[in-house]
Amino acid sequence: SQQGEEDPQALSIQEGENATMNCSYKTSINNLQWYRQNSGRGLVHLILIRSNEREKHSGRLRVTLDTSKKSSSLLITASRAADTASYFCATARLQGAQKLVFGQGTRLTINP
Amino acid sequence: GAVVSQHPSRVICKSGTSVKIECRSLDFQATTMFWYRQFPKKSLMLMATSNEGSKATYEQGVEKDKFLINHASLTLSTLTVTSAHPEDSSFYICSAKRTGLYEQYFGPGTRLTVT
Repeated sequence: SQQGEEDPQALSIQEGENATMNCSYKTSINNLQWYRQNSGRGLVHLILIRSNEREKHSGRLRVTLDTSKKSSSLLITASRAADTASYFCATARLQGAQKLVFGQGTRLTINP
Repeated sequence: GAVVSQHPSRVICKSGTSVKIECRSLDFQATTMFWYRQFPKKSLMLMATSNEGSKATYEQGVEKDKFLINHASLTLSTLTVTSAHPEDSSFYICSAKRTGLYEQYFGPGTRLTVT
């Protein structure tokens, strides 16, 4: 079953603004990952955060993890038109951590 | 590194025929590959985990006789949709992971249309 729930389902902002997407999950995890999918394409791995980490950065991306609330957020700063895509969180459970359970995704549109 | 290819990218077949989709890791060895199905504007649903040299592990509700998976080498896994029906039309995506790491690297997907 799908574990991750993401909000918002869709987000539309102006280029240059920051975009924040949230993900909640239900079971204990080994790690949480964020992926990007351009329309009709495969997914691209963005960042992985382990259960013992609280924050992680990669370029314009910032991911936080709150295991007590079972939630994570992805912040994209200084957004660009090329950031337009769907963003998915995926959790790897403690048991069987190689499998990922994907959230429903957030459709992000950056308006020029 | 970590490039995964899929072939074909699009396929249209008639109802009742079988279709084979290939997933290849181009620059690394993948002991484990995964097959997902994605409906329009929906999330990915894991169908099965493909392990090199052994039988695939199917998720609950996925018919193993309908979706045949073969992982014959460390760089190739195949998914065969047997006796395809229009309801099998979907976007199928594979992924591969390196041994010991958690990140998955995805292929570009295959759009299957069954007429």
